[in-house]
Amino acid sequence: DAKTTQPTSMDCAEGRAANLPCNHSTISGNEYVYWYRQIHSQGPQYIIHGLKNNETNEMASLIITEDRKSSTLILPHATLRDTAVYYCIVRVGGRDDKIIFGKGTRLHILP
Amino acid sequence: SAVISQKPSRDICQRGTSLTIQCQVDSQVTMMFWYRQQPGQSLTLIATANQGSEATYESGFVIDKFPISRPNLTFSTLTVSNMSPEDSSIYLCSAAGAGGAYGYTFGSGTRLTVV
Repeated sequence: DAKTTQPTSMDCAEGRAANLPCNHSTISGNEYVYWYRQIHSQGPQYIIHGLKNNETNEMASLIITEDRKSSTLILPHATLRDTAVYYCIVRVGGRDDKIIFGKGTRLHILP
Repeated sequence: SAVISQKPSRDICQRGTSLTIQCQVDSQVTMMFWYRQQPGQSLTLIATANQGSEATYESGFVIDKFPISRPNLTFSTLTVSNMSPEDSSIYLCSAAGAGGAYGYTFGSGTRLTVV
């Protein structure tokens, strides 16, 4: 079963920052938080990942709380092309490496 | 970045028949996976394709229905056997660490319709 919970859907105005929350209260110390998104009719696309520090790349920022029980993905200037389903995933790693998808958040960017 | 190619991209099949989906990665990877995405749903992991040994199936999926091969570090196949309309889904291949990428890279999927 997925170890994360996310809101079913969210709206964000174009040009604004989109903040997508995720709860992962049962995360273990060696498990990473990964974010993917799936644009309609495409395979999921990697966005960003982190362990306990905040991370930033060219696509997004990831803020992880100090207790690591929740995180927020931030798209700083959302565009219409960011409309997608966003998945927050806890990756086990090691010999049992695999990722289990939850239901994700359907993000609608409004013009 | 790494590229994962799946064939076919889509197919319409008669019930009772079988379809084999191919997945080719353009770099050697240690781990490959197969997922199913039913209409309007999230992705469900079917199995881990192990190179040189039997695949590891998730609960609810069995080898007789979804036989998987992984002959080398860049290629895998998934067969959907004795198909019924309930097997109509998108089937996606994924690889971990392809081309040195973080996380998993996904193919664009095979859209299967069973009639």
